[in-house]
Amino acid sequence: EPEVTQTPSHQVTQMGQEVILRCVPISNHLYFYWYRQILGQKVEFLVSFYNNEISEKSEIFDDQFSVERPDGSNFTLKIRSTKLEDSAMYFCASSPGQGADRELFFGEGSRLTVL
Amino acid sequence: AQSVTQPDIHITVSEGASLELRCNYSYGATPYLFWYVQSPGQGLQLLLKYFSGDTLVQGIKGFEAEFKRSQSSFNLRKPSVHWSDAAEYFCAVGALASYDKVIFGPGTSLSVIP
Repeated sequence: EPEVTQTPSHQVTQMGQEVILRCVPISNHLYFYWYRQILGQKVEFLVSFYNNEISEKSEIFDDQFSVERPDGSNFTLKIRSTKLEDSAMYFCASSPGQGADRELFFGEGSRLTVL
Repeated sequence: AQSVTQPDIHITVSEGASLELRCNYSYGATPYLFWYVQSPGQGLQLLLKYFSGDTLVQGIKGFEAEFKRSQSSFNLRKPSVHWSDAAEYFCAVGALASYDKVIFGPGTSLSVIP
């Protein structure tokens, strides 16, 4: 069964360092998302991406964050200068379409720990 | 703006007992509703979804949910809980007619007593 894959599963970084989280969405999907979940808290929307551009972003998704789909298969989330409060589980999701097809398929997540 | 509330932060039930997890949503357009489950340290797995038609939807693992437009609710039910159902459950809402984001509720943590 097709699935969304994320790497790395866990990354530890120093505050101020750049981090890139990678996702391979399901191949025929058109819509891509990043969510994050701070430990013990709710799943929060960060950004949605369609047709090679950001379609919507949340207040959390400030100038330190960026997303890219560089090669038609990977979907990356970059945090330019990590802060302690960026420590969270980051989930990538993809969706095949709109309406009845719009079901988000999530990856297993990438745990980011900022020291 | 979309919002989802799950009034119960934590629920404990005995194995074999019935379960109902509550979810209320606020959304101006036709909602697209989901229930996801998350086991500790794992990703999010879709249990079921509703976008139109029969307001009682069946999902995986014996779960079902009922959409009640008049109450803006989408409660999740299971007639007999198994110990393996212990997990975090998230209700979520999205817009049916766009690629708009899906918003998650705060989650309900389910514990199952043997």
